[in-house]
Amino acid sequence: EDQVTQSPEALRLQEGESSSLNCSYTVSGLRGLFWYRQDPGKGPEFLFTLYSAGEEKEKERLKATLTKKESFLHITAPKPEDSATYLCAAIQYGNKLVFGAGTILRVKS
Amino acid sequence: GAVVSQHPSRVICKSGTSVKIECRSLDFQATTMFWYRQFPKQSLMLMATSNEGSKATYEQGVEKDKFLINHASLTLSTLTVTSAHPEDSSFYICSARFGWELFFGEGSRLTVL
Repeated sequence: EDQVTQSPEALRLQEGESSSLNCSYTVSGLRGLFWYRQDPGKGPEFLFTLYSAGEEKEKERLKATLTKKESFLHITAPKPEDSATYLCAAIQYGNKLVFGAGTILRVKS
Repeated sequence: GAVVSQHPSRVICKSGTSVKIECRSLDFQATTMFWYRQFPKQSLMLMATSNEGSKATYEQGVEKDKFLINHASLTLSTLTVTSAHPEDSSFYICSARFGWELFFGEGSRLTVL
């Protein structure tokens, strides 16, 4: 069964405390992996797409990496405004998207 | 990135009435759009795939007659919740493909009284 699992479910960090979110996947016909940020009551905001193992992408304090079995979203020196739910999703051939349940990140000042 | 707009962002309706939600791709053409439903503290659940000029493809367990989808142009898809009931209250989100990537609308919060 195609599955995307995110961990931890929730993460509390102090401002400036770097950490990583994990997204492990078992998906047939994987075309790519997406990371999104979702604020309460809003639609997901696109962050990154990763297409192949070894690929890395960066945006401000965020860096996404991909291996053959998992992806990591590294957050360096987070700020309170980074607080949100981070979703990863695997896109398969046929364009079906399989979402993880998300990681709720809270950054305290 | 590409912009997808949804309207309305919030809607409250009485039980038994129908509600239409619009999803527009603002700066690109989208032959395929997707409709999701999200329950509190849960991830997105795909309801249906909307194809321009043809019938939508519904996921298993989603009632076609309850959730009517129309994709009349390359920039507009609509979701109509017919004869709405309180259990249809939810957060509905659309998305559209731009190249290989998928962009989402802001979401529409439906409350059925």
